[in-house]
Order: sequence, then C-alpha cells, then structure tokens
Amino acid sequence: NAGVTQTPKFRVLKTGQSMTLLCAQDMNHEYMYWYRQDPGMGLRLIHYSVGEGTTAKGEVPDGYNVSRLKKQNFLLGLESAAPSQTSVYFCASSYRVGQGFNIYEQYFGPGTRLTVT
Amino acid sequence: ELKVEQNPLFLSMQEGKNYTIYCNYSTTSDRLYWYRQDPGKSLESLFVLLSNGAVKQEGRLMASLDTKARLSTLHITAAVHDLSATYFCAVLSNSGYALNFGKGTSLLVTP
Repeated sequence: NAGVTQTPKFRVLKTGQSMTLLCAQDMNHEYMYWYRQDPGMGLRLIHYSVGEGTTAKGEVPDGYNVSRLKKQNFLLGLESAAPSQTSVYFCASSYRVGQGFNIYEQYFGPGTRLTVT
Repeated sequence: ELKVEQNPLFLSMQEGKNYTIYCNYSTTSDRLYWYRQDPGKSLESLFVLLSNGAVKQEGRLMASLDTKARLSTLHITAAVHDLSATYFCAVLSNSGYALNFGKGTSLLVTP
C-alpha cells in the first residue's frame, strides 16, 4: 500500500495563478483532510470530507476550494493564489471507529511545499 | 473553541537526560494523539490515547492522558540524538472527526 500520496511535492506560483493539489489514499478511508503548516503555527485544518461527494470548512478555508468526487481522492484548489498561501500543505485520511463518527487516528501524506511569489 | 497548548515550544537537552513535554487542552475530550515530525518530513503517529489514565510507551518515550485535568504528557527518558524532532499533540474535536493540533515542541538533543 502506498498510503497517502500527494501531487505535486513542490510548486512555485505567481500571485493570481491557480492550481490544484491532489491527494490520494489507498486505505479505503472515509475521512480526508487538508491542512496547512506554517512556522510556529502547528497544523491548521483547511477543509475536510467525511465521505465521497461531501466537504466541509475547517479553521482556515478562505481562498481554497475542495472536491471529493471519488472516495480515494481529495483535491484542494487555489483559484487565485496569494503570497499568504505560501505554506506546506498536508493531506491526511482517517477511518471511523464504531457506530459514531469518532476517528481513530489520521495518516498523513508527505506534503506539498507551495511558494507564491 | 478548542485550544491546544504545548509547552515548552523549544527544548534543548543533553543526551542521557530526562524531560517532559506538556499538552493542555481547553475542552472535554477523551482522545489525544501524539505525532512526531522530522525536518522536511511528514507527521508520524506516535501514540493514540483513548481514555482517562491511558499510558503508552515506546522505547524512550512514554505518553499519558489525564482527561480530568485536560492534560497529556510526553516523557522522554535518557534522551538520545535520534529523538531530535518536533512533537505535536492533537485533540479530537467535538465533532469527532477532526483534530486540533498544538503548535509543536521542537526538541534538540545534544551530546
């Protein structure tokens, strides 16, 4: 199993350009997440999905859109990149434990380092 | 709003010494996670603590959870250089399917 993979690993954008980050998982997990990591800020949740066709906003959703058309894929889009979106982006996936929504743990991808100039 | 605070944020310690990293959180949660991140790498799961009083150990690291005090600790015993990394704690949010992360503790173990 490859686990959680992210494409691309590095990208440099100019202000105003758009791009899509792809996350794929082969563990049949129901839940998927996008985080951004900035120095001294820990990880902050951008958007997440609890199932195919569903998405929800996290802590810092502005400037990003997401889609989950297939269970194994979760896409993060930047329509008009800004320098404030320079960051390392991590995708994660998780599975549900028991009858409730509680997750067990999250598995992280290798990250995408994005620079917006 | 669920807040997760770690301290210290930076820790430099000598090999062979013991130390504890603390993770406090602001609302009720019965599930806490510890992750390790090496520079330029992804996050690796260390421990999942599922209930009050849970204690888990792996090598020189031991994690515990006190849900009444809303506190988790990560204890390092006889530190070695290979433990140098950033350690994050995370708490299960009230929704049950998202994690709130602390800002991380950057640990440097020196000879």
